[in-house]
Parts: sequence; structure tokens; C-alpha cells
Amino acid sequence: DAKTTQPPSMDCAEGRAANLPCNHSTISGNEYVYWYRQIHSQGPQYIIHGLKNNETNEMASLIITEDRKSSTLILPHATLRDTAVYYCIVRVAGTSGSRLTFGEGTQLTVNP
Amino acid sequence: SAVISQKPSRDICQRGTSLTIQCQVDSQVTMMFWYRQQPGQSLTLIATANQGSEATYESGFVIDKFPISRPNLTFSTLTVSNMSPEDSSIYLCSVVLVKGAGGYTFGSGTRLTVV
Repeated sequence: DAKTTQPPSMDCAEGRAANLPCNHSTISGNEYVYWYRQIHSQGPQYIIHGLKNNETNEMASLIITEDRKSSTLILPHATLRDTAVYYCIVRVAGTSGSRLTFGEGTQLTVNP
Repeated sequence: SAVISQKPSRDICQRGTSLTIQCQVDSQVTMMFWYRQQPGQSLTLIATANQGSEATYESGFVIDKFPISRPNLTFSTLTVSNMSPEDSSIYLCSVVLVKGAGGYTFGSGTRLTVV
């Protein structure tokens, strides 16, 4: 299983861009990078995913390096409601189907 | 995306008893999973709930402790058996709508406290 490495915590000023890094140096060619976040006491929320091209949706942008060994989640204009634990996950294909394996994530705190 | 109803949302149980948690989805899904999140920790996959067959358990989790049922494509239950205080956690149901694509949707979780 490809493991991911994220900083345990980050701070960001409200209104500024939040850039959350993730290393996944052992990722396989057919594995996707997923990002989720978990706001306190809620279930994880899907943000975005990608294989090798950069992706953007209404929530965030995902930048994946050309060698696919790392990626960055970008929240372009962070708000206080973006304070959460952000998980970078590489999807594992197993005999029981593809499942998500969570690491420790990054606690993002958006400050006023 | 799917809407997941997970019940109960929270419960306080006596040690030695069992609790069954329900996960109901508003649309047919291909994959259903159960996770545990112990206090202050990340999510750990317990098992994959397979429709019409026995669940597939991850290392460290056994059917006798966490029996799972999935009688159809929209419903699953997880039972936490013979509970001890160490079972105090948030238990979450997760589903995949289309195999091999898109995101996984999570329920809001069941906060279990064992006393």
C-alpha cells in the first residue's frame, strides 16, 4: 500500500490561500490521490481526487507533480469554516475492492 | 452523491452488552465500508460489507466482535459485541456509488461510549 506523509498541522490566515502538501513516493501508476477533510465531530467529506493531471472543482485545486510522488491541495481563499483535519489518501486496490486507508492527516487552522 | 442515514447518532452502553448500528443509503451503492475512529485518532477500516455474503475484515478485526450484515444494496448493520470501554469510538459507514470512480461518501457517524 502506498503510504502518505503530511505535516501534522498548519496555520493559515483567513482569505489567504491554504496549500497543504502530501508526499506519496511509493504510489503506483494506477493509484489515485484523494483528499478528504473532517470537521470536528462530523464524517469525512470528499474534496477532490486525481490521477496525474491537475484538477479543480468548486472546493479546491489539486496539483500533482509530474513524477506523482507528491501533491498539493490548494484552498484558494480559506475561511474559518475550512478549519479541519485534511487527509491525503492513495486509493488501494485489494481483493475486497478499492478502499481508503487514512493516515494521520494535517490539522489546518484558519485564523481570523 | 449518496445520502447516508446512520443510526443511532450516539449511545452510552454498559460494558458486556452489544449495540447494532444501522447504515441506510438513499441509492444503490457498489461498496459499503465500516470504519472506527478512536478518540483523537484517524479512521481505521474495520471491514468491507459485501452484499449477500460474509464481510471482509481487516487485520485486527474479527467477525465475532464486529458482526456485519448487508442484506441488500442500500442497507448494512455493524454490531459491536460484548463491549468494553476500549470500544468507545466513533463508528462510520462509508459508501461508493460507482466502482472505480468518484469519491467515497461517509455517514455522520455513531458516537459510542461504553461505561
